[in-house]
Amino acid sequence: KNQVEQSPQSLIILEGKNCTLQCNYTVSPFSNLRWYKQDTGRGPVSLTIMTFSENTKSNGRYTATLDADTKQSSLHITASQLSDSASYICVVSKRGTYKYIFGTGTRLKVLA
Amino acid sequence: NAGVTQTPKFQVLKTGQSMTLQCAQDMNHEYMSWYRQDPGMGLRLIHYSVGAGITDQGEVPNGYNVSRSTTEDFPLRLLSAAPSQTSVYFCASSESFPNSPLHFGNGTRLTVT
Repeated sequence: KNQVEQSPQSLIILEGKNCTLQCNYTVSPFSNLRWYKQDTGRGPVSLTIMTFSENTKSNGRYTATLDADTKQSSLHITASQLSDSASYICVVSKRGTYKYIFGTGTRLKVLA
Repeated sequence: NAGVTQTPKFQVLKTGQSMTLQCAQDMNHEYMSWYRQDPGMGLRLIHYSVGAGITDQGEVPNGYNVSRSTTEDFPLRLLSAAPSQTSVYFCASSESFPNSPLHFGNGTRLTVT
């Protein structure tokens, strides 16, 4: 079964600290991998999109990495801010279909 | 630029009632899709469309119908609401599949009693 698994489920960090979120997938054949940020009560917002040939992509303080050989991705947040408190969702699209497969997300809380 | 607009934001239905969740986008996107989000689960695809007049089923289509008569609109119909359909529903669109970002609406929170 095509799956996307994220860890940890939840994370609490102090403002200004860095953190890394993990995503492992079994989706095959792979098309691309995305990271989304979802604030409470809102729809997800795209942070990065990476194809098979890309192994890193940055968006401000967010840096995503992809290892297509091990089917692992990470999202690194640098110098966290209170506004980074949200759920972060890893999404994989399967080549040859029009479907996205969503992870269950990591809930990040940044404390002052 | 409004993006993806969903209405209503909240809805309470009784078992057996029907209703339509509205979704409209003003970005001329060809790809549109509906998801439900339940606690502890990732977003699950209900139905999707790759253009006006073209729709297909996703992972959890039972109990839902869609149509795509225009590029802008993609309504989701609940035929006979059941408590298992209590969820938050998101509509999303993208310029193309699969390499364009998905743009999400802010969701409809549906409760079926």
